[in-house]
Amino acid sequence: DQQVKQNSPSLSVQEGRISILNCDYTNSMFDYFLWYKKYPAEGPTFLISISSIKDKNEDGRFTVFLNKSAKHLSLHIVPSQPGDSAVYFCAASANRQGAQKLVFGQGTRLTINP
Amino acid sequence: ETGVTQSPTHLIKTRGQQVTLRCSSQSGHNTVSWYQQALGQGPQFIFQYYREEENGRGNFPPRFSGLQFPNYSSELNVNALELDDSALYLCASSFRRGSYNEQFFGPGTRLTVL
Repeated sequence: DQQVKQNSPSLSVQEGRISILNCDYTNSMFDYFLWYKKYPAEGPTFLISISSIKDKNEDGRFTVFLNKSAKHLSLHIVPSQPGDSAVYFCAASANRQGAQKLVFGQGTRLTINP
Repeated sequence: ETGVTQSPTHLIKTRGQQVTLRCSSQSGHNTVSWYQQALGQGPQFIFQYYREEENGRGNFPPRFSGLQFPNYSSELNVNALELDDSALYLCASSFRRGSYNEQFFGPGTRLTVL
């Protein structure tokens, strides 16, 4: 049961253009969403998050949009830079007692071409 | 501020053996989570420890067990290793405040079971 899905395994974008990574979820109990970036031989690095009470959160070049009715979120990177080339994971969690368990998507490999 | 560290970096074991992986949490963090990342997949939640007690568990068999120590460092133990246990094991630490927290990941331990 894949509760968080990233349907694009890979994405290639020209340097300076916008990168848009997409993520869909099925569990309506999820109320907090995060994006992580992962380089080879390193652990995932936290990028940006959004609570379900918001529909947009911005941090520098990174913006996350949340569409609760569609159970869809996206990460926009503008402008894209070569150092952004990495695997991006979308993750979600539910606000409840107990463990703050993160449920991850399968990841999207982003390649920024010079 | 020291980040999350894990040891060893790589490990090769044979089927049926036991393994212990170690994690030191980021300074000031009191919660540790463990994830298994199979090749080409996103990380999957194994369990979480908060103040030395298991605080939630994912869909993993009892041969996956853990400990958290008073200094908040943690161990993941896997008994009776199977070939499918070959994966990257990630430790993440966080500080529980309210309902939400970003989890900060270590570089992982790559386990190969032959």
